[in-house]
Amino acid sequence: QKEVEQNSGPLSVPEGAIASLNCTYSDRGSQSFFWYRQYSGKSPELIMFIYSNGDKEDGRFTAQLNKASQYVSLLIRDSQPSDSATYLCAVERAGGTSYGKLTFGQGTILTVHP
Amino acid sequence: DADVTQTPRNRITKTGKRIMLECSQTKGHDRMYWYRQDPGLGLRLIYYSFDVKDINKGEISDGYSVSRQAQAKFSLSLESAIPNQTALYFCATSDFQGGSTDTQYFGPGTRLTVL
Repeated sequence: QKEVEQNSGPLSVPEGAIASLNCTYSDRGSQSFFWYRQYSGKSPELIMFIYSNGDKEDGRFTAQLNKASQYVSLLIRDSQPSDSATYLCAVERAGGTSYGKLTFGQGTILTVHP
Repeated sequence: DADVTQTPRNRITKTGKRIMLECSQTKGHDRMYWYRQDPGLGLRLIYYSFDVKDINKGEISDGYSVSRQAQAKFSLSLESAIPNQTALYFCATSDFQGGSTDTQYFGPGTRLTVL
C-alpha cells in the first residue's frame, strides 16, 4: 500500500461544476495535510493545508479531513478552466524530526472544460 | 526576484558525468529540501537539511550527495549520472516555527536529462 494515494485521474469536469479530489494515507500518526497545485512545467504551489478533523474553506476551495478514515479531500467549487492542473496531496508525519518532511501522492490531473 | 531560485533550469548531460544542481533562497528559511519528480510518481524526497550543520537522507538518496554551503544555499550533486536520474528536480524551503505546520515553498525546478 502506498503511503499516500490519490484518486487516479485524469478527472474531467465541466466549467462551473464541483471538482472533488481525494487522498488516503496509511500512517495514522500523520498530523498535517497539504494540497498543492502544479501547472504543467511549473513548480507546486500551496493551495491550503489542514490539520484538524472537519472542513476548512478558503474561497472556492474546501479541504476536508477525516483522521479516523485516514482520508483528506479537496473540493473546488465553481470550477474554472484556469483550475486545470495536477493536484498533489502531501502528508506530514508527527513528532521529532518528522516535522517538515512531506510524503506526496502521485497527483491527480484535473481538466475543467468550457 | 524569486524567493527560491534554481540553476541551471535545464541540463542535458551524458552517462558518467558529474552534475551539480544549485538552489538559493532569499526567504531566510533554515530548512531546505531536494525532490525529484517523475511522471506518475509524485515528488520524492532526496535529501533535506534543517540547518547548515544538519543534513539527512530522504527516501531516494542513493546516487546523490548534497552540500549546504550557507543558510541560503543547498546544492545537489550526481556523482556519476545515469539515465534513470532523468527527472525534474525541485528545491524547496520551509520555516518551521516549532509545534506547528511547516509549509514548503518550491523553486522553479531543473529539468535534467541524462543520455
